[in-house]
Amino acid sequence: NAGVTQTPKFQVLKTGQSMTLQCAQDMNHNSMYWYRQDPGMGLRLIYYSASEGTTDKGEVPNGYNVSRLNKREFSLRLESAAPSQTSVYFCASQTFWENEQFFGPGTRLTVL
Amino acid sequence: AQSVSQHNHHVILSEAASLELGCNYSYGGTVNLFWYVQYPGQHLQLLLKYFSGDPLVKGIKGFEAEFIKSKFSFNLRKPSVQWSDTAEYFCAVNSYTGNQFYFGTGTSLTVIP
Repeated sequence: NAGVTQTPKFQVLKTGQSMTLQCAQDMNHNSMYWYRQDPGMGLRLIYYSASEGTTDKGEVPNGYNVSRLNKREFSLRLESAAPSQTSVYFCASQTFWENEQFFGPGTRLTVL
Repeated sequence: AQSVSQHNHHVILSEAASLELGCNYSYGGTVNLFWYVQYPGQHLQLLLKYFSGDPLVKGIKGFEAEFIKSKFSFNLRKPSVQWSDTAEYFCAVNSYTGNQFYFGTGTSLTVIP
């Protein structure tokens, strides 16, 4: 039982490049989330998926797209990376009954 | 929208000192409350949570938190901190029926041996 896994762990991009961050969970959770963590700003929600087939914007969705590929996987795509997207990205999944979120190890992204 | 305020941004304590980290939220309805901890270089882990019942909640590693509904607060406490408690601490809230979590900006705790 791996919990929530994320790939890659580290990534460096040039401005304008695109990439997809992958997230998978093996806990049979319905809801999945993408956050970004920046110093002094805590965690901010980018997008979430309450269930397979649905996605919704969070607090800071601009510049990102998501895909809920199936119940296990929820990917985050940067179409044209900008330096302002330099951050640590965390994926999380949530139990329904206990409303608890479980986090992945994070992806540290630097955009030059 | 809900919001969470953590008033202490950076706390420095000596080992064995007592800890209290403040957390206030704004939401009028029934909420679930959480404290998460992030050790250096690691992901967030649940420290403790409150859903209902006894407002004094005990978590892992000797941490506890008290929910005071009238003050919209959920402060984290530990009687005697250790060097290994050095980490960032996040308070979070979600509504009883909501899908979204709202996190505070975090408090960085440094414990000096």
